[in-house]
Amino acid sequence: LAKTTQPISMDSYEGQEVNITCSHNNIATNDYITWYQQFPSQGPRFIIQGYKTKVTNEVASLFIPADRKSSTLSLPRVSLSDTAVYYCLVGDPVKPGAGSYQLTFGKGTKLSVIP
Amino acid sequence: NAGVTQTPKFQVLKTGQSMTLQCAQDMNHEYMSWYRQDPGMGLRLIHYSVGAGITDQGEVPNGYNVSRSTTEDFPLRLLSAAPSQTSVYFCASSYRQGRYGYTFGSGTRLTVV
Repeated sequence: LAKTTQPISMDSYEGQEVNITCSHNNIATNDYITWYQQFPSQGPRFIIQGYKTKVTNEVASLFIPADRKSSTLSLPRVSLSDTAVYYCLVGDPVKPGAGSYQLTFGKGTKLSVIP
Repeated sequence: NAGVTQTPKFQVLKTGQSMTLQCAQDMNHEYMSWYRQDPGMGLRLIHYSVGAGITDQGEVPNGYNVSRSTTEDFPLRLLSAAPSQTSVYFCASSYRQGRYGYTFGSGTRLTVV
């Protein structure tokens, strides 16, 4: 399983764009990059998943450079409600065989949005 | 509402007691898993299942048992509770393992005294 490294914490003011970068130097060919958001006392919530280049949905954008050794989660115009822990995960989601895809969560990045 | 349902939400056990944490999903997901989350830590995988009748160990399986007799249910059993098992437990499910993301339950906060 590819190991990921992300900042422990980040602060941002309301209305700003926030970019959280995740390093995954030993990402494998079939690995996807997935981001989750977790609020206190809740389970993680899937935000976005991508393989290469750029993926965008109604919540965020995910930028993946050509070498795929890092990725950046971009949250446009954050609000106080975006204060949460954000996890970057890397793995092969459809590798056949039992035990092939196990989510490995690190400590995540704690984002604090300041009014 | 479709999703992952965990019961109970809170539980206090005495050391040595056993109990079962329930997890049910109504999305016909084939993959289900159990995690524990301790303060300041990320989530650690306990056990997982890729379908009914198939289970396997994750990163921290000791002290826990699982079974998967149906697609919908994936209970986690604590055999003899220890204070080290005080944690928040999350159940998750997904279609095709992880390709479209996982859906997590709201968690069970367990305290062992």
